[in-house]
Amino acid sequence: DTAVSQTPKYLVTQMGNDKSIKCEQNLGHDTMYWYKQDSKKFLKIMFSYNNKELIINETVPNRFSPKSPDKAHLNLHINSLELGDSAVYFCASSPYARSAETQYFGPGTRLLVL
Amino acid sequence: AQTVTQSQPEMSVQEAETVTLSCTYDTSENNYYLFWYKQPPSRQMILVIRQEAYKQQNATENRFSVNFQKAAKSFSLKISDSQLGDTAMYFCAFSISNFGNEKLTFGTGTRLTIIP
Repeated sequence: DTAVSQTPKYLVTQMGNDKSIKCEQNLGHDTMYWYKQDSKKFLKIMFSYNNKELIINETVPNRFSPKSPDKAHLNLHINSLELGDSAVYFCASSPYARSAETQYFGPGTRLLVL
Repeated sequence: AQTVTQSQPEMSVQEAETVTLSCTYDTSENNYYLFWYKQPPSRQMILVIRQEAYKQQNATENRFSVNFQKAAKSFSLKISDSQLGDTAMYFCAFSISNFGNEKLTFGTGTRLTIIP
């Protein structure tokens, strides 16, 4: 009965590879987000989607491409991985885009680029 | 741009005591929302409490309460009767209600340790 789920939980890969992280929410929410938490625990928004439409793109390199096949899913694809991409990536969802509703977070995906 | 500042990187307190975590923010918006999230060692981000800026009454959730001072742009979290399970990173966060910009802006976090 996980509300917001992410796969995989851990991802270890070599520099230069391409990888994807999947996120699914079963809360019926309209809006989904990706956040990055760096090694110092600082959390920063990357993207948000509302009903499959990109709303926020916070100066993230083009190597990061979110994809939302439907409003319950928001996947993150990363091309040509770099050492600096090592972080914990959190997916979140909230009911509506037009109000600052509480965001519910997934368990996070720890990405380690070697 | 909105900024959130947590000036206490680490705190520790004895079990059953009360502890207050500080948070200040900067914004030119009048309608906004403030949150405290908890991140235990499991890494899960858990909402602790939420405050709407238009409400003067401070939010409370069981042992957790806030002291919201809008004029001072201050939003502190008080944990009463602290428990070992309260050990976690605590993040203060800010959001405005503006279509297309409902992102959460986080502070740098406070690592709270409850000592048995």
